[in-house]
Amino acid sequence: DAGVIQSPRHEVTEMGQEVTLRCKPISGHDYLFWYRQTMMRGLELLIYFNNNVPIDDSGMPEDRFSAKMPNASFSTLKIQPSEPRDSAVYFCASSRREEKLFFGSGTQLSVL
Amino acid sequence: AQKVTQAQTEISVVEKEDVTLDCVYETRDTTYYLFWYKQPPSGELVFLIRRNSFDEQNEISGRYSWNFQKSTSSFNFTITASQVVDSAVYFCALSGPRYTGANSKLTFGKGITLSVRP
Repeated sequence: DAGVIQSPRHEVTEMGQEVTLRCKPISGHDYLFWYRQTMMRGLELLIYFNNNVPIDDSGMPEDRFSAKMPNASFSTLKIQPSEPRDSAVYFCASSRREEKLFFGSGTQLSVL
Repeated sequence: AQKVTQAQTEISVVEKEDVTLDCVYETRDTTYYLFWYKQPPSGELVFLIRRNSFDEQNEISGRYSWNFQKSTSSFNFTITASQVVDSAVYFCALSGPRYTGANSKLTFGKGITLSVRP
């Protein structure tokens, strides 16, 4: 079985540009989570979905961040406009009901 | 507010040594879950264990064991006879109240970098 698939693995962009991170959860999983990892703040939950519906987006830092899940097999996290402080590793994770969480390999984002 | 403290930031041991990774948590919830995750150099986080707040039984899985003590709000992780492949960053995490879902609103500690030398 394929795990959680994230793309791209690395993204380098300039301040002010729009960035879109993509995630394909494991088939059959009904929960999807977006996390951000930085040295200063560690791992932070940004938003999570249940059955494609956003449940809690209280971790989204500001209006520049948005996330969508148009169907059960795809989610995006968009940053517009991007800023250098958005540089981090962004993880997507999925789970089936209350079972264990599977993480993707992450997207390393660098905003110059 | 929830908090997870992993006071040890880096630990270095020689292969075959036993090592304990400490985790102390704070929560006002009466029901919750505790987790350990491993982040190897490849980057993805790998689930190791989940305990619910009602179950204080210690757990052993091969060379890994976990000690949950509600009285001290601790959930420590011991690796027995460590191996080079155990080198990774280890995260302890705490969920929100159980009714929000086991994986929801996870609060992670800052992680402990474990290096096992041959």
